[in-house]
Amino acid sequence: DAGVIQSPRHEVTEMGQEVTLRCKPISGHNSLFWYRQTMMRGLELLIYFNNNVPIDDSGMPEDRFSAKMPNASFSTLKIQPSEPRDSAVYFCASSLGDSRTEAFFGQGTRLTVV
Amino acid sequence: DQQVKQNSPSLSVQEGRISILNCDYTNSMFDYFLWYKKYPAEGPTFLISISSIKDKNEDGRFTVFLNKSAKHLSLHIVPSQPGDSAVYFCAATRGGDKLIFGTGTRLQVFP
Repeated sequence: DAGVIQSPRHEVTEMGQEVTLRCKPISGHNSLFWYRQTMMRGLELLIYFNNNVPIDDSGMPEDRFSAKMPNASFSTLKIQPSEPRDSAVYFCASSLGDSRTEAFFGQGTRLTVV
Repeated sequence: DQQVKQNSPSLSVQEGRISILNCDYTNSMFDYFLWYKKYPAEGPTFLISISSIKDKNEDGRFTVFLNKSAKHLSLHIVPSQPGDSAVYFCAATRGGDKLIFGTGTRLQVFP
């Protein structure tokens, strides 16, 4: 398996534009997590899906952020409209169980909003 | 409110010596703790974990110690190797619920 695949690796966009980040989890994994990494706050959980169903989205900053998981092999994180403070590295991770099981992370998407 | 704290942003250790990375938490309901390691331009990778029913877990050169009364855990790396140079994240969860990460400690192992 190629591991968790995220695209794009880098994204530079102008403030106000829509940004869509994509994730393909490891086949067979039933949990998917979206994290955001910043210097000040470290790794923050944005949203957690189990069997394609959002379980906990309390970490989603505001209504500008939305996430979907239409099937077991694909998820998206959308920011509309984007703002400079959204600049961060966004990671997707998947696992076979809950947070106690090893999560496998993608390489991340570095988002810069100018 | 940072429930998981890594108060040392960086640590420098000589090759062959012991590296000790510390982590404190505030929520006494956390019952499972994990350490992840992250190299530049890569995603974090799982390193080692410990349940709150234990006070020590060992895996090769890596040992995690848990002191529940002090709400403190530490990761020991013995002996340290240059390839261990990375950012180490401590994380905690309650009942497998959302994972709360610390802000990370950058370890540098020099020859």
